[in-house]
Amino acid sequence: NAGVTQTPKFQVLKTGQSMTLQCAQDMNHEYMSWYRQDPGMGLRLIHYSVGAGITDQGEVPNGYNVSRSTTEDFPLRLLSAAPSQTSVYFCASSYLAGIVSGANVLTFGAGSRLTVL
Amino acid sequence: AQSVAQPEDQVNVAEGNPLTVKCTYSVSGNPYLFWYVQYPNRGLQFLLKYITGDNLVKGSYGFEAEFNKSQTSFHLKKPSALVSDSALYFCAPYSTLTFGKGTMLLVSP
Repeated sequence: NAGVTQTPKFQVLKTGQSMTLQCAQDMNHEYMSWYRQDPGMGLRLIHYSVGAGITDQGEVPNGYNVSRSTTEDFPLRLLSAAPSQTSVYFCASSYLAGIVSGANVLTFGAGSRLTVL
Repeated sequence: AQSVAQPEDQVNVAEGNPLTVKCTYSVSGNPYLFWYVQYPNRGLQFLLKYITGDNLVKGSYGFEAEFNKSQTSFHLKKPSALVSDSALYFCAPYSTLTFGKGTMLLVSP
């Protein structure tokens, strides 16, 4: 079982460059989300999706775009990278019923470490 | 509103000794509580959860947690720590959208 797959694992960008972090899951989870993890800040939600064609903002959405064209994929786009976006990014997924009931267990990817110079 | 607090940034324990990572909660209604673990350079992994039923919940890797309603606590415990248990541990309320800073557990040989 692949679970949640994130690519790339490491990326270095220059300020102003754009890139896409990929996230794919093979568990048929309706709910997918992106977090960033910074030292001393915990994990903060960037964007999430409850199904194909439906996305919404989390706690720290500025500077990031998402789309959800399929159940399996949930890419995160940085349109113009800034040094403040240097972080480790995690994608997570879950069945939607678990999210609604509160009994959800999130499955996380291994993370993508992004450095913006 | 649902929230949890982990009062310790770091817990140090010697291998073979029992370990406790503390979590207190503040919820309205019935609490759903989770523990996740993050090993170095990895994503978070689910350890255990309390939904309803027995107050003592057993999870992965020999961990357990006790739900204590009177003390509003959900402490994570293990009878005998391993060096490989060294990781970052997160307590989380149900419908988690944001995780806190977690507690770093360091187990020394």
